[in-house]
Amino acid sequence: EVQLVESGGGLVQPGGSLRLSCAASGFTFSNYNMNWVRQPPGKGLEWISYISSSSTTIHNADSVKGRFTISRDNAKNSLYLQMNSLRAEDTAVYYCARCGNDGRYEDNWGPGILVTVSS
Amino acid sequence: QLVLTQSPSASASLGASVKLTCTLSSGHSGYAIAWHQQQPEKGPRFLMKLNNDGSHTRGDGIPDRFSGSSSGAERYLSISSLQSEDEADYYCQTWGTGIQVFGGGTKLTVL
Repeated sequence: EVQLVESGGGLVQPGGSLRLSCAASGFTFSNYNMNWVRQPPGKGLEWISYISSSSTTIHNADSVKGRFTISRDNAKNSLYLQMNSLRAEDTAVYYCARCGNDGRYEDNWGPGILVTVSS
Repeated sequence: QLVLTQSPSASASLGASVKLTCTLSSGHSGYAIAWHQQQPEKGPRFLMKLNNDGSHTRGDGIPDRFSGSSSGAERYLSISSLQSEDEADYYCQTWGTGIQVFGGGTKLTVL
């Protein structure tokens, strides 16, 4: 069974940093591209970052470019999101998601982790 | 610009059928999409990938009450024999060069 579990969320002040992790199990992590998607309270889903299986290709949404960095460690079956220069509008539930093997869509989702940016 | 448009809300009766629509922006009518369901207070769940020819592949464990179809720039999610647990937000999603896009979501109420 595919499992994705996010960790590292919490309360952070504006301008601060946070690193999210996603532990993957139940599939060969190194064979799959991965995504981060977020959802502000009461709002819809927003894709923010994509990384290919070997980390050779990375895409970021304009809203996080220059501030957020996606990375992965295939030896540890883990995905990461380093978030710097956080703003109030980054407050959201952050989801780790696996890409389907025939397109850049999410075919498995983690339960999500809340990040709150507030003073 | 790659954009997906969904109606904000829909409703149908218990046991009935409903068809939700997702519209691709001009120039993108050949794109495949994915449908996701988000029940209240839960994370999203992948329902299916839907191609422009209407062929679709459901996610693991998704019942065949959920089906997809396509017509031009329109992508549809049909749900038959509606159950109370189908009351949820439904999002379509697609991808292009360097980006992924979600529609605004449709909130389905089961009456």
